[in-house]
Amino acid sequence: EAGVAQSPRYKIIEKRQSVAFWCNPISGHATLYWYQQILGQGPKLLIQFQNNGVVDDSQLPKDRFSAERLKGVDSTLKIQPAKLEDSAVYLCASSSRQGEVRGYTFGSGTRLTVV
Amino acid sequence: GQQVMQIPQYQHVQEGEDFTTYCNSSTTLSNIQWYKQRPGGHPVFLIQLVKSGEVKKQKRLTFQFGEAKKNSSLHITATQTTDVGTYFCSSAGGANNLFFGTGTRLTVIP
Repeated sequence: EAGVAQSPRYKIIEKRQSVAFWCNPISGHATLYWYQQILGQGPKLLIQFQNNGVVDDSQLPKDRFSAERLKGVDSTLKIQPAKLEDSAVYLCASSSRQGEVRGYTFGSGTRLTVV
Repeated sequence: GQQVMQIPQYQHVQEGEDFTTYCNSSTTLSNIQWYKQRPGGHPVFLIQLVKSGEVKKQKRLTFQFGEAKKNSSLHITATQTTDVGTYFCSSAGGANNLFFGTGTRLTVIP
């Protein structure tokens, strides 16, 4: 089974610029999550999708962050404009069923540095 | 979201020594999951505990879920250098999304 694919692997941008991350979950996984992991901390949930619908985006800073999963498969996360404190690893994860948490499969993440 | 606290934040052990990390919550948890993250890597699912008092073993790793379902522990017997990494506990929120603890970073000195 192929894993969760994320790109790019690394990104360096200047503050106030825009950036987008892409995620392709495991085939057949209906639930997709975006997490932000700041260095030395645990992953923090940003948004959860079930198919192409948003289940939970309560911790997404909506003034600058947006995410979509238009066809219920791959997803993009965008930051516009970026701030220094957005420097983090952005992890995408997927799971097979929303109501049956058997462990998430995480992608390798995108390491964002905002300078 | 639910809050889970982990202790210790860091642990250095000599190879061959045992290691334990604890996860605590002020509220009852529906389940708890444990993940391992190697340096520079991503979290990898280890196990899920659901039942009160549940104990599960994976080779040298022993996972426990407290009777009140408010705490959990991960114990590693006779650590090896391959055990290096950060161990996270996590609990499910209302939409079955996971909230992660602060993690325990384990260093194993050969």
